[in-house]
Amino acid sequence: DSGVTQTPKHLITATGQRVTLRCSPRSGDLSVYWYQQSLDQGLQFLIQYYNGEERAKGNILERFSAQQFPDLHSELNLSSLELGDSALYFCASSVVQGNTEAFFGQGTRLTVV
Amino acid sequence: GQNIDQPTEMTATEGAIVQINCTYQTSGFNGLFWYQQHAGEAPTFLSYNVLDGLEEKGRFSSFLSRSKGYSYLLLKELQMKDSASYLCAVRGRYNTDKLIFGTGTRLQVFP
Repeated sequence: DSGVTQTPKHLITATGQRVTLRCSPRSGDLSVYWYQQSLDQGLQFLIQYYNGEERAKGNILERFSAQQFPDLHSELNLSSLELGDSALYFCASSVVQGNTEAFFGQGTRLTVV
Repeated sequence: GQNIDQPTEMTATEGAIVQINCTYQTSGFNGLFWYQQHAGEAPTFLSYNVLDGLEEKGRFSSFLSRSKGYSYLLLKELQMKDSASYLCAVRGRYNTDKLIFGTGTRLQVFP
């Protein structure tokens, strides 16, 4: 158990809908990262938050948004869903000192039908 | 920008040694990470290099050459459970920077 919690584990929804994915980082971790992994693809960086502020943005679509709350949990909002948005969405967190690997949650598998 | 290259697939035999290479080009560098990912599961951390040289951790070792933008992960005494994808990731200049991942190398271990 990495200590990073993601909910829900699975989500099936229709095209055009909106969903919210939730991530609780490890206790004490200030950085939260979101990644998208489509079938047989690598991890695509979406967005990073550090202590409540947006730190870096990757190839995140305008239909997607995220935020980090004062208690450091984060939410990824996906709207106007398309079939191609079906993927595993991972959240990771890390502390920010020294050897700071990122720890990953178990992911949310999103299926858009 | 950042570019990370790894072979797509490799195969090996149980008990053998395999080396997975990773080359990278980044605008800033503050560490290279190796992760293991079984299909449909979360990536799990294997190793970290920030200085040149070899880091050994049991059956797994990782090497880094910053001047060449090159790293490898060495897996010894391969076991069937080592069949997984191995992801190379680079962090930018600062500890607060994101990790950028390569597409991963899918390793299949045969008996």
